[in-house]
Amino acid sequence: EDQVTQSPEALRLQEGESSSLNCSYTVSGLRGLFWYRQDPGKGPEFLFTLYSAGEEKEKERLKATLTKKESFLHITAPKPEDSATYLCAVRRGAGNMLTFGGGTRLMVKP
Amino acid sequence: GAGVSQSPSNKVTEKGKDVELRCDPISGHTALYWYRQSLGQGLEFLIYFQGNSAPDKSGLPSDRFSAERTGGSVSTLTIQRTQQEDSAVYLCASSLGGRSSYNSPLHFGNGTRLTVT
Repeated sequence: EDQVTQSPEALRLQEGESSSLNCSYTVSGLRGLFWYRQDPGKGPEFLFTLYSAGEEKEKERLKATLTKKESFLHITAPKPEDSATYLCAVRRGAGNMLTFGGGTRLMVKP
Repeated sequence: GAGVSQSPSNKVTEKGKDVELRCDPISGHTALYWYRQSLGQGLEFLIYFQGNSAPDKSGLPSDRFSAERTGGSVSTLTIQRTQQEDSAVYLCASSLGGRSSYNSPLHFGNGTRLTVT
């Protein structure tokens, strides 16, 4: 059974204080690891897809990396507007649905 | 362009009543998904439609839940005889299907918040 575990559940940072969010996964035949951002009252918003170990993708202050067992979302010099819940999900070889982790709630204080 | 549209945005119903939730996917997306998000929880897969293929219903929690997709576009999720534990946000997503599906992210609507009293 596919499993996705995110840590920490919640993270409080000061503006400018860089950190990383972790996503550990167990899946048969990984066909993509996805990162999403979710704001309160909204649906998840797509950020990145990673396909193979060693791959990295960047967008503004965010950088996602992938190994064979986990993915990290690095946040460099965060701003209050980066506050949100970050979700990771995996797609496996059979079927197209995504299996999501429980999310990390990030709070960035000015 | 227009994103995934869901209606209603909020629904309050009495225990035992039936409810219907609607999803309009992004034009041209052949894959459509329903997920459920309970308070403070991650997303739970419910059902997946791909073109004219039989849907993947493996995530539906009970036979009170059903969904259909008419004309390969709009989808309706129906919950019969609602229970208090059905209270959650129901999210719909769509993506490109077919050969492009393996690298196509899901695009979500803003969900329907269902409250069963």
